[in-house]
Amino acid sequence: DTGVSQDPRHKITKRGQNVTFRCDPISEHNRLYWYRQTLGQGPEFLTYFQNEAQLEKSRLLSDRFSAERPKGSFSTLEIQRTEQGDSAMYLCASSLTEGGYGYTFGSGTRLTVV
Amino acid sequence: DAKTTQPPSMDCAEGRAANLPCNHSTISGNEYVYWYRQIHSQGPQYIIHGLKNNETNEMASLIITEDRKSSTLILPHATLRDTAVYYCIVRAENSGYALNFGKGTSLLVTP
Repeated sequence: DTGVSQDPRHKITKRGQNVTFRCDPISEHNRLYWYRQTLGQGPEFLTYFQNEAQLEKSRLLSDRFSAERPKGSFSTLEIQRTEQGDSAMYLCASSLTEGGYGYTFGSGTRLTVV
Repeated sequence: DAKTTQPPSMDCAEGRAANLPCNHSTISGNEYVYWYRQIHSQGPQYIIHGLKNNETNEMASLIITEDRKSSTLILPHATLRDTAVYYCIVRAENSGYALNFGKGTSLLVTP
């Protein structure tokens, strides 16, 4: 287990289409996070899972966004009816603790909506 | 979480020490200082954290002033691979789920 894996690395989609991203966390990490990063900005928190329970959602996560973590393992982030403003890097992270250290991030999925 | 202020960019010559400052004048007594960095096209990477004592690990040193209102991340011998955006984050250890990254400092290490 070498780290957090995200798939795909790049996704180009037409406006209005649905897209789904996958994140495979470090296997022993029970905490999983999704972040979004736009050009020139730091990552912004979207949502958090502890095991399979989604415990926190940012106001950035509109009703077109949904995230799941079935069985507390991998997670998916789906965006419905994509808009150009959804173009960003979507980052997944996992951790063992709730402290601010020890987060392991994946390399992200870059979404371009055309 | 306390607000942090970092310079938008810095340069450093390869082999020299890189000293990255962070101001956090409103930090509370139970808030830690965390540093992450993000190399181009990768996710952020944890570097180091501290409460009030100076800390050192294999990657860097963290110097926190006595009044805890500012800190400095030190990369003792910067290499080209240290070129990245460095984020200073202040938060209490178990204060929630989000890391507030801000815009960070873009460090360019030059040959």
